[in-house]
Amino acid sequence: SQQGEEDPQALSIQEGENATMNCSYKTSINNLQWYRQNSGRGLVHLILIRSNEREKHSGRLRVTLDTSKKSSSLLITASRAADTASYFCATERGYQKVTFGTGTKLQVIP
Amino acid sequence: EPEVTQTPSHQVTQMGQEVILRCVPISNHLYFYWYRQILGQKVEFLVSFYNNEISEKSEIFDDQFSVERPDGSNFTLKIRSTKLEDSAMYFCASSEGGRGENGYTFGSGTRLTVV
Repeated sequence: SQQGEEDPQALSIQEGENATMNCSYKTSINNLQWYRQNSGRGLVHLILIRSNEREKHSGRLRVTLDTSKKSSSLLITASRAADTASYFCATERGYQKVTFGTGTKLQVIP
Repeated sequence: EPEVTQTPSHQVTQMGQEVILRCVPISNHLYFYWYRQILGQKVEFLVSFYNNEISEKSEIFDDQFSVERPDGSNFTLKIRSTKLEDSAMYFCASSEGGRGENGYTFGSGTRLTVV
């Protein structure tokens, strides 16, 4: 089964606008994490939200989690050109294993 | 800020050859992982390692693959008899705890090209 499907697959916005990316998953989870990947580079951990949490903030990032709908969203406020990257959600169900989604490619136009 | 270091950044190898990908996890982390990302596809879990043992592995991680922590700092992934379809980015990661409570720290990856 596909665990962690992001939408949209691609998003293009103007600098200063907010960017919202969504992630859906199929099974129960311990936590959900968001990562960023610049083209051809490694994955950078952005934020983790536990299954008993509903919302979390970190700087310009806001993550929500709805376990009843098995979905999460990542909001980046006041986007900057440097936010251009791919963003992945990753769900942790069991022990020591994270399953990544397909990713959203975000382009922020200066 | 502590980081996970991977070497080499790019490795080209002939089909059938063996390669060793190297990683230096963050020093106080106890859990280590390998993931791979075939170009344009998802990041896939390969294996997790704790206390000098494999704790979990995916169906991708067959007898062609092995991991080792040969000393106190390095964590290696060996791929025997490489195939064209092994071409991918290979990411090492580490975490303090087994449930990644603070997330996982990933290295920048090794791009493996099998020709």
